[in-house]
Amino acid sequence: EPEVTQTPSHQVTQMGQEVILHCVPISNHLYFYWYRQILGQKVEFLVSFYNNEISEKSEIFDDQFSVERPDGSNFTLKIRSTKLEDSAMYFCASSEVRTTNTGELFFGEGSRLTVL
Amino acid sequence: DAKTTQPNSMESNEEEPVHLPCNHSTISGTDYIHWYRQLPSQGPEYVIHGLTSNVNNRMASLAIAEDRKSSTLILHRATLRDAAVYYCILRPGSSNTGKLIFGQGTTLQVKP
Repeated sequence: EPEVTQTPSHQVTQMGQEVILHCVPISNHLYFYWYRQILGQKVEFLVSFYNNEISEKSEIFDDQFSVERPDGSNFTLKIRSTKLEDSAMYFCASSEVRTTNTGELFFGEGSRLTVL
Repeated sequence: DAKTTQPNSMESNEEEPVHLPCNHSTISGTDYIHWYRQLPSQGPEYVIHGLTSNVNNRMASLAIAEDRKSSTLILHRATLRDAAVYYCILRPGSSNTGKLIFGQGTTLQVKP
């Protein structure tokens, strides 16, 4: 069964460093998302991406964050200057269609980011 | 965004049916009811969704009240692998972003 794959599974970084999290969505999917989950808290929406541009972003997704689809298969999340509060599990997701009726999201297993 | 209310936790015995309730009294006429679950140390996983009629798939059944103000996810025979956090999420029918708004969900414990 096709799946969303994420790398790295765990990254440890120093505060202020740049981090790039990588995702390979399911190949025929057109819509891509990043969510995060701080330990013990809810899963939170960060951003949705379609046709090479952001279609929606949350308040969390400030100027420190950016997303990119550099080569038609990868979908990356960059955090420019990490803060302690960016420590979380980051989930990538993709969907084939965006409509509510059939647009189930497929999530990856996540990348755990630890900022020291 | 319309809100959902779920119990924080539930327990079940293995191989018994489980009924996970969700209240969504402010649901609008075009909101779809989606269920996702999150197994330990994994990403969320789609379970089922519906609008008005009850729905069945290989994972579960979804029973939707006639007034649509509540719904119940039914696992027909719980297994240990079904221990997870279950999220009831409303998605506007007019939405074009695909965004999901997760609540705290119901943590299901399955006892052998």
